Amino acid sequence: QSVLTQPPSVSGAPGQRVIISCTGSSSNFGAGYDVHWYQQLPGTAPKLLIYGDRNRPSGVPDRFSGSRSGTSASLAIRGLQAEDEADYYCQSYDSSLSGWVFGGGTRLTVL
Amino acid sequence: QLQLQESGPGLVKPSETLSLTCTVSGGSISSSNYYWGWIRQPPGKGLEWVASGHHSGSTYYNPSLKSRVTISVDTSKNQFSLYLSSVTAADTSMYYCTRHPPGRSGSRFDYWGRGTLVTVSS
Repeated sequence: QSVLTQPPSVSGAPGQRVIISCTGSSSNFGAGYDVHWYQQLPGTAPKLLIYGDRNRPSGVPDRFSGSRSGTSASLAIRGLQAEDEADYYCQSYDSSLSGWVFGGGTRLTVL
Repeated sequence: QLQLQESGPGLVKPSETLSLTCTVSGGSISSSNYYWGWIRQPPGKGLEWVASGHHSGSTYYNPSLKSRVTISVDTSKNQFSLYLSSVTAADTSMYYCTRHPPGRSGSRFDYWGRGTLVTVSS
């Protein structure tokens, strides 16, 4: 069981908007720790997608956006494209576990 | 452009020590304030942070692995290494070397190696 809870899978048609949730607790998001998101394309290493709740590294399209509120966070992808099909992971720091933690991952399928 | 490259045995016997090295190119380990870390991913499963180290000697370990893991940073070779003792089949994973800034909240893993698969089997 991951400290951060994500839905195992989400799907959407090309052009649609999907949201991936990440539920935490009072020892991570609720304590004010940032959420970061990663995209892992099949057979490759994860890539930083969103950092500090809502910031995009250089080169990441603005179709990707993030937010955090209370003990939850979310990643939104608008204008879904076939190349967005990947696994997505949220990550934060947990004070109870004294370490950096990841969500279990969400597989996005583009229909 | 910063690049990280993992190296080490792909097969380790149960009860032995797993040793991996990450070579950093395109930047100096000792000239930055960043931490250098390891993250692993069992086949078909999610990501798990293992350990992080700084050229100053500061280290952080996943509490669930702390009794078995050591990370070291070699500034002369621009490399850092992971040692995981008493391995079992549960340690079979893809191991990624990464970089992250200091601090708890802002620490995101912004550079990743391609990963190296380590299988624990006799």
